[in-house]
Amino acid sequence: DAGVIQSPRHEVTEMGQEVTLRCKPISGHDYLFWYRQTMMRGLELLIYFNNNVPIDDSGMPEDRFSAKMPNASFSTLKIQPSEPRDSAVYFCASSLHQGAGERANTGELFFGEGSRLTVL
Amino acid sequence: DAKTTQPTSMDCAEGRAANLPCNHSTISGNEYVYWYRQIHSQGPQYIIHGLKNNETNEMASLIITEDRKSSTLILPHATLRDTAVYYCIVSRGSNYGQNFVFGPGTRLSVLP
Repeated sequence: DAGVIQSPRHEVTEMGQEVTLRCKPISGHDYLFWYRQTMMRGLELLIYFNNNVPIDDSGMPEDRFSAKMPNASFSTLKIQPSEPRDSAVYFCASSLHQGAGERANTGELFFGEGSRLTVL
Repeated sequence: DAKTTQPTSMDCAEGRAANLPCNHSTISGNEYVYWYRQIHSQGPQYIIHGLKNNETNEMASLIITEDRKSSTLILPHATLRDTAVYYCIVSRGSNYGQNFVFGPGTRLSVLP
């Protein structure tokens, strides 16, 4: 399996421009997560989906951020307009939850390599 | 309040066991203890998790105290490639979203 695939790996843009980050989760996984990592705030959960439906977007910083998951194999995180404070590494992760009882949820998240965004 | 407390940093000699502690005194009965690590410039990687019994896999061992208020991740023979930030997470599961929190972690440096 190729793992979680993110693109672009690096993006440098100017303030005010639209940024689109892309993620392909592991095939068959039913949860997809978008995280942001900065030195100041560490790893923060922005939003997550279950079976392509957004479950919790309370971590999305503001209306400039939006995320979609049109199908099970693709998700986007969009920032419009971008600002310098959006500079961070954005990670996508996916996981599979099945079964029942104590071992139903392994909690094993599979992360992509991240997209490093720099907004000038 | 943070659900877990970890030392900021630790050193370990190559080839020796690395023992990383985590305190989670407010853990609930249905919450698991998860460990992840993040090697520089990479995404976090799952290591191991447990509920109340000790667990072992090919990467590490997890020792959870009987009262479940603390745990220790053990890397039996640390190598230079184990240098990373190690995160201890207490949660019902990653599918509980904001309940699955990555704190600052412990920066482990394995020294030659």
